[in-house]
Amino acid sequence: AQTVTQSQPEMSVQEAETVTLSCTYDTSESDYYLFWYKQPPSRQMILVIRQEAYKQQNATENRFSVNFQKAAKSFSLKISDSQLGDAAMYFCAYRSGTGRRALTFGSGTRLQVQP
Amino acid sequence: DGGITQSPKYLFRKEGQNVTLSCEQNLNHDAMYWYRQDPGQGLRLIYYSQIVNDFQKGDIAEGYSVSREKKESFPLTVTSAQKNPTAFYLCASSLRDKNQPQHFGDGTRLSIL
Repeated sequence: AQTVTQSQPEMSVQEAETVTLSCTYDTSESDYYLFWYKQPPSRQMILVIRQEAYKQQNATENRFSVNFQKAAKSFSLKISDSQLGDAAMYFCAYRSGTGRRALTFGSGTRLQVQP
Repeated sequence: DGGITQSPKYLFRKEGQNVTLSCEQNLNHDAMYWYRQDPGQGLRLIYYSQIVNDFQKGDIAEGYSVSREKKESFPLTVTSAQKNPTAFYLCASSLRDKNQPQHFGDGTRLSIL
């Protein structure tokens, strides 16, 4: 079974600075997808960014980018120019490309943004 | 606008009672999912359904049941066999294509009276 590990329960960043959230995963599959979701205090789950395992190029969405290291099974999220609205729980998630299509989530990282 | 509607937002269960959480989507998604979130933890899969009239157990299915009679609806019943039902429940849906992300509802918080 696949597992997803987020080793940073909490992180803090100054407004306008850059922060990196870590995620590692364990799988024997070659076809899979990785996601970062944001959960603000409203508890709504919002997709931040996704990465296909077969793509070597790191995904980017505005201020959000990933560092995908397939051999190391690492999928970190970098938030540039942090804003107060970025404060939330961030979850890393794995989805198989061949087996069960449901998501396997990490335990989350709570990000605080200091003004 | 298309989306996923979960109801009620808050639900209270008495001992020995079954309760049903509603999840409706108008995104024309084939697949639907139920997750449970406990404080300080990530989401864990309860049940999922890829097509109408078919569903599979997830990682923590004991004490729960589901049905998928319509494409738009995927209700979750928390039975009296679930001894620790207090949690936040999230419903999600997606297209069946493997690269498509899941979209989530706003959740239901279930508590024990």
